[in-house]
Amino acid sequence: DGGITQSPKYLFRKEGQNVTLSCEQNLNHDAMYWYRQDPGQGLRLIYYSQIVNDFQKGDIAEGYSVSREKKESFPLTVTSAQKNPTAFYLCATWDRSNEKLFFGSGTQLSVL
Amino acid sequence: EDKVVQSPLSLVVHEGDTVTLNCSYEVTNFRSLLWYKQEKKAPTFLFMLTSSGIEKKSGRLSSILDKKELFSILNITATQTGDSAIYLCAGYNNAGNMLTFGGGTRLMVKP
Repeated sequence: DGGITQSPKYLFRKEGQNVTLSCEQNLNHDAMYWYRQDPGQGLRLIYYSQIVNDFQKGDIAEGYSVSREKKESFPLTVTSAQKNPTAFYLCATWDRSNEKLFFGSGTQLSVL
Repeated sequence: EDKVVQSPLSLVVHEGDTVTLNCSYEVTNFRSLLWYKQEKKAPTFLFMLTSSGIEKKSGRLSSILDKKELFSILNITATQTGDSAIYLCAGYNNAGNMLTFGGGTRLMVKP
């Protein structure tokens, strides 16, 4: 089945710890995105990548880092510099042919 | 900086009511306006609008875009409890290949 796989579904972070959220896609889409969603809120763009080995900061990139070494993979690292990381994180890909954004099932990150 | 604003923030209605959700946008190199429904986790696609004045329909849901006034509406008729969700709209910037989302409208439909 084609789709976007995010893992883990739930993640707990200790103070001062870096954690990495995984996002893998087999849709062969070039562009990939990371969004953050706080309870009852909309989506805010963290980072996006239009092509392998290239990525740009979104509106709230501080405290986060990404890499795009393979077309299929776009991992997000939440660093210790992100002081309020508790949120729901969504990975997405852009289907250029049909002009739609496809989403993974998300990762809920909480701070211990 | 691109900006998308949704209203109202939240809405409580009873089954059978009709609701209208609003989305205004300021998006450079605007290409399209997308609507999504989010019930639990991943948002699901509803509509993509590119042309002014052409209504898109899917069952009880419909949407229309006004590119002159820079807004879109999503209508839901004869609401059901299953329509309870957060509704998100997003503007697509064709030059930057990125979507900017609004803050969402939380709809609750009571029996």
